[in-house]
Amino acid sequence: DARVTQTPRHKVTEMGQEVTMRCQPILGHNTVFWYRQTMMQGLELLAYFRNRAPLDDSGMPKDRFSAEMPDATLATLKIQPSEPRDSAVYFCASGLPQGEVETQYFGPGTRLLVL
Amino acid sequence: LAKTTQPISMDSYEGQEVNITCSHNNIATNDYITWYQQFPSQGPRFIIQGYKTKVTNEVASLFIPADRKSSTLSLPRVSLSDTAVYYCLVGLLYNFNKFYFGSGTKLNVKP
Repeated sequence: DARVTQTPRHKVTEMGQEVTMRCQPILGHNTVFWYRQTMMQGLELLAYFRNRAPLDDSGMPKDRFSAEMPDATLATLKIQPSEPRDSAVYFCASGLPQGEVETQYFGPGTRLLVL
Repeated sequence: LAKTTQPISMDSYEGQEVNITCSHNNIATNDYITWYQQFPSQGPRFIIQGYKTKVTNEVASLFIPADRKSSTLSLPRVSLSDTAVYYCLVGLLYNFNKFYFGSGTKLNVKP
């Protein structure tokens, strides 16, 4: 059963530190998404890639967040410097268009706490 | 951006059929309707997707009226394990920057 994997699952850090979250999409999927979920804002799309190229990152604070796909098996989301307001669960998802159906497969998330 | 409106929460009992309705008055001609389910401490999981009329899979049914301004997710004979948040999304396939998850509907299934 193919799944999206994310590391680390939990991260506690201090304000000002760099945070790197990693995602391994399902093999063969050509679309990768980064979401952030908080109680106040719900699920927010931060960025997404197709065939490793960034298509949209308008939901991402540009001054401190960056997302990359060094290769087809790895996507990264970095926060530098981190702030307490970045505390949230960060989800990665991957997808593959199949005819008229397009679904996203979500990973288990990285729970980030910035002190 | 086609936003959606769903009830914040719903209660049901085991064995009952649950219908969750989503309003999307500004749906565009080419938009599809997709429903996701999210359990606590997990990422959302795809349930069903449709464009018009009725779609059924092994998990749920999706009813879409002719004007497509709303849709109803139907869960037959729910169990305690169906307790989750259900999200209705409306958007053009492959244009994920247009998808909006909203606050979802918290379904609480009681024994």
